[in-house]
Amino acid sequence: EPEVTQTPSHQVTQMGQEVILRCVPISNHLYFYWYRQILGQKVEFLVSFYNNEISEKSEIFDDQFSVERPDGSNFTLKIRSTKLEDSAMYFCASREKTQYFGPGTRLLVL
Amino acid sequence: DAKTTQPNSMESNEEEPVHLPCNHSTISGTDYIHWYRQLPSQGPEYVIHGLTSNVNNRMASLAIAEDRKSSTLILHRATLRDAAVYYCILRDCGNNRLAFGKGNQVVVIP
Repeated sequence: EPEVTQTPSHQVTQMGQEVILRCVPISNHLYFYWYRQILGQKVEFLVSFYNNEISEKSEIFDDQFSVERPDGSNFTLKIRSTKLEDSAMYFCASREKTQYFGPGTRLLVL
Repeated sequence: DAKTTQPNSMESNEEEPVHLPCNHSTISGTDYIHWYRQLPSQGPEYVIHGLTSNVNNRMASLAIAEDRKSSTLILHRATLRDAAVYYCILRDCGNNRLAFGKGNQVVVIP
């Protein structure tokens, strides 16, 4: 069964550094998403992406964040200058009719 | 986002059916009822969704009240692997994002 994959599974970075989280969505899906979950809190929507542009973003998704689909298979989330409060699990999802989530990347900012 | 109300937690005995309630009294005519679950340290996993009619799949059944103001996710025979947080989410067909609440923590007792 096709699934969403994410790399790396864990990332540790210093505050102020840039990180890129990578996702490979399910191949025939056209809608892509990023969510995050701070430890012990709810899963929060960050951004959705369709037809090579952002279709919706939350108030969390500020200028420090960007998304890109650099080729036909990858979907990336970049955080330009990480802050301590960016520490969270980041989930990618893709959709044809229903959203399917990847296993997540655990980001720790020190 | 239309709101849903679920119990904070429930216990179930292994190999018995589990009925997970969800109230959504402000549901609109275009809202689909989605259920996801999240096992510890994993990404949300799609379970089932419906609009008006009851739905069955290999994971669960979804019973939707006639007035659509409530629904029940039914796990026919709970296993230890069904221990997870279960989320009932309303999603408008034109809306991209999934709005996760706190969910219902299901504990399965051997």
